[in-house]
Amino acid sequence: KQEVTQIPAALSVPEGENLVLNCSFTDSAIYNLQWFRQDPGKGLTSLLLIQSSQREQTSGRLNASLDKSSGRSTLYIAASQPGDSATYLCAVRRRETSGSRLTFGEGTQLTVNP
Amino acid sequence: DGGITQSPKYLFRKEGQNVTLSCEQNLNHDAMYWYRQDPGQGLRLIYYSQIVNDFQKGDIAEGYSVSREKKESFPLTVTSAQKNPTAFYLCASSYRTETQYFGPGTRLTVL
Repeated sequence: KQEVTQIPAALSVPEGENLVLNCSFTDSAIYNLQWFRQDPGKGLTSLLLIQSSQREQTSGRLNASLDKSSGRSTLYIAASQPGDSATYLCAVRRRETSGSRLTFGEGTQLTVNP
Repeated sequence: DGGITQSPKYLFRKEGQNVTLSCEQNLNHDAMYWYRQDPGQGLRLIYYSQIVNDFQKGDIAEGYSVSREKKESFPLTVTSAQKNPTAFYLCASSYRTETQYFGPGTRLTVL
């Protein structure tokens, strides 16, 4: 059974810092991995999707890497801003013949202080 | 305006009552999903549907039921058999195995 773990559970940093969020998964037979952002009481917004054949994806100040063999992904946020404060969730899509199920980690709650 | 809508935003259920949560999408996506989120936790899959008139159980399907009569709609019924239904419910849709797009969620509280 696929399990996804995110470390740390919570992180508080001053504005302007570069930071790294970690995600690990137990079964390396994944189709892709996705990072989401969730604001309090809201739905999820997709940030980056990395296919299993890719090593990294970039969008603005965000960079996500994937090391499938070791079961790890990192989300790098450059020059953090108070508006980046949210919960960040990673999710892996299994390789299955039927369905495209995502397994989620529990998230990292990020607070960026002005 | 394209996207996924969920209604209602807040829902209160009495003990022993069935309630239905609505999820509609106009993105022409084939697949739709229902997740449950408890405080401080990630999302757990309840049910998903790849095509109209077909759906599969997720990891925590007990006490829930769904239907997929139209491509645009995937309602979730929380039955009285679900013993701890208080949670945040999120609906999502995707085109095959691509990015899942999420609705704004419904917060269900048992009185």
